[in-house]
Amino acid sequence: AQSVAQPEDQVNVAEGNPLTVKCTYSVSGNPYLFWYVQYPNRGLQFLLKYITGDNLVKGSYGFEAEFNKSQTSFHLKKPSALVSDSALYFCAVRAFNAGNMLTFGGGTRLMVKP
Amino acid sequence: NAGVTQTPKFQVLKTGQSMTLQCAQDMNHNSMYWYRQDPGMGLRLIYYSASEGTTDKGEVPNGYNVSRLNKREFSLRLESAAPSQTSVYFCASSQSSTGVFYEQYFGPGTRLTVT
Repeated sequence: AQSVAQPEDQVNVAEGNPLTVKCTYSVSGNPYLFWYVQYPNRGLQFLLKYITGDNLVKGSYGFEAEFNKSQTSFHLKKPSALVSDSALYFCAVRAFNAGNMLTFGGGTRLMVKP
Repeated sequence: NAGVTQTPKFQVLKTGQSMTLQCAQDMNHNSMYWYRQDPGMGLRLIYYSASEGTTDKGEVPNGYNVSRLNKREFSLRLESAAPSQTSVYFCASSQSSTGVFYEQYFGPGTRLTVT
């Protein structure tokens, strides 16, 4: 079985400071990892994905994520947070041979204060 | 290009009533999905359709049925609604369900309350 943990329900950061949203995963075999963002009353929007290759993945809106196989982590980062980054962030994992099952974490609410 | 659309946006049902949630995509995607979102639990897959004419159960299929009407449309039916089905329902689509490079695109959601 595959699973995703987002250990922080909420992350607070001041505008202009770097931000990190944590994600750890458990899966058999090679993982495929995704980050999605959800703004209020909206559906999820794709941010970035790790399939293979470079451990540092760059995505939309200046976000990036670092894949760490030994720590089974895929933390989302941004060098300088904006107030408009405030939203709900979801990490998701899919095993190489898991077919259509994309497993989501519980979500982390990011609050960026001016 | 509207992407993924869902109707209705909001619905209130009484226990035992039935309803169908509609979803349509205009991206010519092969695969479509239904999820439910509950606080603190992320999204959980209810059913999916890898391609037109096929449907499969996801993580939480009990109490639901689906129909892949054509390539564009994928509906979710609650035959006898229960309070435990109070949730926000999201439809999604992807170019393929087996191609790992294809991310899923989500609709705006339907907020369902069962009293």
